[in-house]
Amino acid sequence: DIQMTQSPSLLSASVGDRVTINCKASQNINKYLNWYQQKLGEAPKLLIYNTNNLQTGIPSRFSGSGSGTDYTLTISSLQPEDFGTYFCFQHNSWPYTFGAGTKLELK
Amino acid sequence: EVQLVETGGGLVQPGRSLKLSCVASGFTFNNYWMSWTRQAPGKGLEWVASITNSGGSTYYPDSVKGRFTISRDNAQNTLYLQMNSLRSEDTATYYCTRDPDILWGDYWGQGVMVTVSS
Repeated sequence: DIQMTQSPSLLSASVGDRVTINCKASQNINKYLNWYQQKLGEAPKLLIYNTNNLQTGIPSRFSGSGSGTDYTLTISSLQPEDFGTYFCFQHNSWPYTFGAGTKLELK
Repeated sequence: EVQLVETGGGLVQPGRSLKLSCVASGFTFNNYWMSWTRQAPGKGLEWVASITNSGGSTYYPDSVKGRFTISRDNAQNTLYLQMNSLRSEDTATYYCTRDPDILWGDYWGQGVMVTVSS
């Protein structure tokens, strides 16, 4: 199984900050890497698919990059509505696997 | 508008069975793979099962293989998850997702809670 190691697990930041969240796969996942945002009590929401494709309706301050085993989600200027938990997810090979999550909180 | 509505959750004893349903609307159901993902209370996400658009192929992680069965009724726009031999570690909120080609999980339902306890 492919292990997804996400870091940091907790990130404290302020409105306007640039933040990055990292995800490392235990083997090459060929850019089949998605990022989801989850707010308390809600279902996850797709932000970025296949490394760097912005899902419809998602603000352009969100971006993704990476290749091989290393991937990054960047929020260029943090907004109040961006606080929550972020998960990476690989759908390159079965079983599909998620990272453990990064909780983004207000500093 | 795409909608996915899960039902069928509840409290069940260990070793018993439960069947979840997910009714889809707002898109052509039989054009899409579909999946179930779960989240234990206060924990992360775990993919549970996927099914092709025709229903001809299914996929599971080892944690549920042989106990859970994903199926679909394309005439009724409904996805199912039959869960047998339930364990306490199956306690979670279960979400159904729509999985477009080369993409995954672009729409999620609101989730349904399953509690396995005596």
